[in-house]
Amino acid sequence: DTGVSQDPRHKITKRGQNVTFRCDPISEHNRLYWYRQTLGQGPEFLTYFQNEAQLEKSRLLSDRFSAERPKGSFSTLEIQRTEQGDSAMYLCASSSVRDRVSNEQYFGPGTRLTVT
Amino acid sequence: RKEVEQDPGPFNVPEGATVAFNCTYSNSASQSFFWYRQDCRKEPKLLMSVYSSGNEDGRFTAQLNRASQYISLLIRDSKLSDSATYLCVVNPSYTGGGNKLTFGTGTQLKVEL
Repeated sequence: DTGVSQDPRHKITKRGQNVTFRCDPISEHNRLYWYRQTLGQGPEFLTYFQNEAQLEKSRLLSDRFSAERPKGSFSTLEIQRTEQGDSAMYLCASSSVRDRVSNEQYFGPGTRLTVT
Repeated sequence: RKEVEQDPGPFNVPEGATVAFNCTYSNSASQSFFWYRQDCRKEPKLLMSVYSSGNEDGRFTAQLNRASQYISLLIRDSKLSDSATYLCVVNPSYTGGGNKLTFGTGTQLKVEL
């Protein structure tokens, strides 16, 4: 399978704990995105990388959230001191620099986070 | 006003029916437009990009009206397998390409026997 992969698929954690999610984009894609989706809503943009550079961050991304893409391949999203309001599906997507105008993004299966 | 607005539905239609979804967006500078499909508890999957001239892919037709800031999706001869949530998606601005997508809340379609 050469699509976007995410790990873990599910995570249950207690409030106050730190969690880290991983995303592996489609291999030839140099752009990587993180989104968050809660029930009944569309995905909301969190942050975006082109290669290893983090080029945009949403105001939704509080200081407790940090994302990295150290070698321009996989990315991690860490949430520190989790809160119940962080419970959501965290989606990763990737796109190709060659697709500059249309910016078609392809999503991974997501990591469903539940904070108890 | 939300950046992308859709009727949440649900649209309950019989198999074989034609159904149309509409969407409006607020940013007139938006450059690219999409319809994604999302099954329950799954990731969004790209259904089709929407071009200014309108485009068709099998039973699916997408239209864009930039003057009215309006996007539509038409599904002909609907199948049970078309049951899903359809997300209207806009790339709000062009900054050299490759930035965030803005999603509507989705329109739920249920195709029934």
